[in-house]
Amino acid sequence: AQTVTQSQPEMSVQEAETVTLSCTYDTSESDYYLFWYKQPPSRQMILVIRQEAYKQQNATENRFSVNFQKAAKSFSLKISDSQLGDAAMYFCAYRSDRDDKIIFGKGTRLHILP
Amino acid sequence: NAGVTQTPKFRILKIGQSMTLQCTQDMNHNYMYWYRQDPGMGLKLIYYSVGAGITDKGEVPNGYNVSRSTTEDFPLRLELAAPSQTSVYFCASSSRAPLHFGNGTRLTVT
Repeated sequence: AQTVTQSQPEMSVQEAETVTLSCTYDTSESDYYLFWYKQPPSRQMILVIRQEAYKQQNATENRFSVNFQKAAKSFSLKISDSQLGDAAMYFCAYRSDRDDKIIFGKGTRLHILP
Repeated sequence: NAGVTQTPKFRILKIGQSMTLQCTQDMNHNYMYWYRQDPGMGLKLIYYSVGAGITDKGEVPNGYNVSRSTTEDFPLRLELAAPSQTSVYFCASSSRAPLHFGNGTRLTVT
């Protein structure tokens, strides 16, 4: 069975600085999708960025980018120029292309220091 | 366009009671999912469905049942509620890519 591991329960970063959140996963599949979701205190789940495993190029969305290392099964999220509104729980997620199951890591709580 | 709608938003149940959490989506998505999120934790997959008439167990299916009679609806049934089922429940849907989430149902079992 696939697993998703986020080893950093909490992180803090100074406003305007850069922070990287870690995610590793375990799978025997070659085709899959990876996602980062943000959950602010409102409890709403917001998609931050997605990556298809067959794409070698790392995905970017404005200040958010990923470092996807398929062989290492690593999928880290980099947030540049951190803003107060980035404070939230961040979840890494894996979608199997075989059975369409989507599983999540335990999350990293990100604090932004003014 | 409402997206994914969950009802109710809040519910308090007594131990042993049953209830159904409703989820409906208007995006014609084939895939639908139920997750639970315990305080300070990640989302655990309860059940999911890849289309009408098809359901599969997720990571934590015990104590729950689902059905998928239409593309739009994916209700989650709790039988004999237990305190361990106190959680926030999220329904989500997707086509082939990212999930669209409902706003969640906060359930307390006392």
